[in-house]
Amino acid sequence: EPEVTQTPSHQVTQMGQEVILRCVPISNHLYFYWYRQILGQKVEFLVSFYNNEISEKSEIFDDQFSVERPDGSNFTLKIRSTKLEDSAMYFCASGTASGPQHFGDGTRLSIL
Amino acid sequence: DAKTTQPNSMESNEEEPVHLPCNHSTISGTDYIHWYRQLPSQGPEYVIHGLTSNVNNRMASLAIAEDRKSSTLILHRATLRDAAVYYCILRDVRDDKIIFGKGTRLHILP
Repeated sequence: EPEVTQTPSHQVTQMGQEVILRCVPISNHLYFYWYRQILGQKVEFLVSFYNNEISEKSEIFDDQFSVERPDGSNFTLKIRSTKLEDSAMYFCASGTASGPQHFGDGTRLSIL
Repeated sequence: DAKTTQPNSMESNEEEPVHLPCNHSTISGTDYIHWYRQLPSQGPEYVIHGLTSNVNNRMASLAIAEDRKSSTLILHRATLRDAAVYYCILRDVRDDKIIFGKGTRLHILP
């Protein structure tokens, strides 16, 4: 069964540095998403992406964040000037229109 | 977004059926009822969804009340691998994001 893959599984970064989290969505999906989950808290929506542009973003997704689909297979989340509070699990998901979303197993981001 | 109410946690014995309840009294006509689960150290996983009629798939069954104000996710024969947090989510047909609540933590006893 096709799956969403995320790399790296764990990223450790110094505060203030930039990080890029990578995702390979399921190949025939057109809708892409990023979510995050701070330890012990709910999964939170960050951004949705369709047709090479952001379709919706949450209040969390401020100017520090950006997303890109640099080629036909990858979908990336860039976080600039990382802060301690950016430490979380980041999940990528993909789907079709209003169908179910398929999630990767996440990247654990640790900011030191 | 319309809200759902679920018990914080439930326990069930292995190899027995599990009924996970969800209340959604403010559901609108364009809200689908979705269930996802999150196993330990994994991302959320789609389980099932429905609008008005009961639904069955290889993972579970979804029973939707006639007034749509509540629903029940049914795992027919729980295994240890079904221990997870189960999320009941209302998702408008025009909306593509998912808003997760706290869900129900299901413990399976061997």
